[in-house]
Amino acid sequence: DVKVTQSSRYLVKRTGEKVFLECVQDMDHENMFWYRQDPGLGLRLIYFSYDVKMKEKGDIPEGYSVSREKKERFSLILESASTNQTSMYLCASSLSGDRPYEQYFGPGTRLTVT
Amino acid sequence: AQTVTQSQPEMSVQEAETVTLSCTYDTSESDYYLFWYKQPPSRQMILVIRQEAYKQQNATENRFSVNFQKAAKSFSLKISDSQLGDAAMYFCAYRSAGGGSNYKLTFGKGTLLTVNP
Repeated sequence: DVKVTQSSRYLVKRTGEKVFLECVQDMDHENMFWYRQDPGLGLRLIYFSYDVKMKEKGDIPEGYSVSREKKERFSLILESASTNQTSMYLCASSLSGDRPYEQYFGPGTRLTVT
Repeated sequence: AQTVTQSQPEMSVQEAETVTLSCTYDTSESDYYLFWYKQPPSRQMILVIRQEAYKQQNATENRFSVNFQKAAKSFSLKISDSQLGDAAMYFCAYRSAGGGSNYKLTFGKGTLLTVNP
């Protein structure tokens, strides 16, 4: 069974802390994605990676960085957390290829920055 | 850049009735893919249905079907015989054809569907 897991369902951090969100997939997918979901704004792409050690900025990369040292793991890093980064963070993965491959999503991490 | 618009923030339907969710998109590309995803309350996002732009035939998955109008850049989702389990946030998404940067999805803002018993 296809699975994308995220390290925490709920996380509370203080302003200025460095925050790591981890995502692991067991499907040998080449592509991995980090989205942010906010009410009324839908899902917005932060960063994605279409190969190990390859990364590309999405629509809202400011304040975030990513790391992908192994194919199955994609980490989102908030260098210095701020209250406007309080949100739901979703990780996803997909196969590569010019086909309409679906993205498989993790359960999400609800991050609160106080 | 492509944009996806879902003009209905909320919709409701009676159990066993049919409902249609709207989605329009803006693109200058001729080859692309379109998706509908479902996010039930406190549960993971899952794929409902997908459509390849070069295929004229509308995709169907059991009670879910789409009305794909390429010229109008419209991609609506029809849910027939609605069930309580269909209650969820529904997102329309666009992906360019090709590889590399084209694997990313552009999502609409979502439509919250309520199913009334």
